[in-house]
Amino acid sequence: EAGVAQSPRYKIIEKRQSVAFWCNPISGHATLYWYQQILGQGPKLLIQFQNNGVVDDSQLPKDRFSAERLKGVDSTLKIQPAKLEDSAVYLCASSLVSGYMNTEAFFGQGTRLTVV
Amino acid sequence: SQELEQSPQSLIVQEGKNLTINCTSSKTLYGLYWYKQKYGEGLIFLMMLQKGGEEKSHEKITAKLDEKKQQSSLHITASQPSHAGIYLCGATPLNSGYALNFGKGTSLLVTP
Repeated sequence: EAGVAQSPRYKIIEKRQSVAFWCNPISGHATLYWYQQILGQGPKLLIQFQNNGVVDDSQLPKDRFSAERLKGVDSTLKIQPAKLEDSAVYLCASSLVSGYMNTEAFFGQGTRLTVV
Repeated sequence: SQELEQSPQSLIVQEGKNLTINCTSSKTLYGLYWYKQKYGEGLIFLMMLQKGGEEKSHEKITAKLDEKKQQSSLHITASQPSHAGIYLCGATPLNSGYALNFGKGTSLLVTP
């Protein structure tokens, strides 16, 4: 079974530039998450999708971050304009939804963003 | 939101030694998840605990959830260099499919 695919693996941009990350979840997984992991910290949820609807985006800095999941499969996360503090690893994860049972999330390899 | 405290922050052990990592919450947990992260890579699922007093083992790793469902421990027996990495606990207090909140992680280094 193919895992969660993310691209690119690494990205270096200058501050005020824009950047986009792509995620392809495991086939059949209705729930997709984007997390931000700053060095030395645990992952922090940015946004959670259920199919193509947003479940939780309360921690997404909406003035500069946006995300979409068209057709309920692939997702893109965009930052525009980037700031130095956006330097982090951006992790995409997906999970099955089975009623109200929590199921484990499967993570991609992440995209390491460096803003200079 | 769920606040998870992990201890210790980092750990260096000699190969063959046992070790324990703790994860504590101020709120009752519905589900407690343990993940391992190799440096610069994604998270690998280890175990999920849901019932008070539950204990699960996989190879040399054992995870426990206390009766009050507010504290979990991860125990590694006879550590090996392959156990090195960052161990993260994640949890959600609600039976609603909400995303996991994570602790800051415990960095483990196993020396020969």
